[in-house]
Amino acid sequence: QKEVEQNSGPLSVPEGAIASLNCTYSDRGSQSFFWYRQYSGKSPELIMFIYSNGDKEDGRFTAQLNKASQYVSLLIRDSQPSDSATYLCAVKSPNAGNMLTFGGGTRLMVKP
Amino acid sequence: NAGVTQTPKFQVLKTGQSMTLQCAQDMNHNSMYWYRQDPGMGLRLIYYSASEGTTDKGEVPNGYNVSRLNKREFSLRLESAAPSQTSVYFCASSDPESYKNIQYFGAGTRLSVL
Repeated sequence: QKEVEQNSGPLSVPEGAIASLNCTYSDRGSQSFFWYRQYSGKSPELIMFIYSNGDKEDGRFTAQLNKASQYVSLLIRDSQPSDSATYLCAVKSPNAGNMLTFGGGTRLMVKP
Repeated sequence: NAGVTQTPKFQVLKTGQSMTLQCAQDMNHNSMYWYRQDPGMGLRLIYYSASEGTTDKGEVPNGYNVSRLNKREFSLRLESAAPSQTSVYFCASSDPESYKNIQYFGAGTRLSVL
């Protein structure tokens, strides 16, 4: 079992819809959670960071964390074609020397 | 402000050849990292340097060596390249003193080993 799991997709949503991306992790000691966006052929860039249970909103993006169920999700409201990318979930845990462990990523396609 | 700079951007090697991937950051970060990214595998940590003068193995260190030349520069060396090392390599840096400790990535090096 991979330590950080994501559905590889592609997840296809129409323009203007809500895209929901999910990530589960196995290490209960994980403390910080990151969502990176990676356009094809480009490097990952951080879009959200969360460490407390609940929701964190930043513009059209909302990160949701549930430590009891060991999942973190990313909601993208009013999805745009420019949101089409691969979204990487990363988890930081002291059990892993505070290194980031990445999931395989979910490819999102937003269709006009 | 360039952030994290990697060279070269592309490289083709023959099996058995050696090469060094260069990485430099101008954000005065203490920590630097080398990852490889293969399709569907996410990013896997090869080596990291928590601070100048220290290096440690990550998840997939076999076949690689690193040098933390100074605070700015962290290089990755392939001594005898193998086709299994065909991948995209990313360097990253972070400030572990900040509570987020966000990692910032370079543009990547696309390596093919024939």
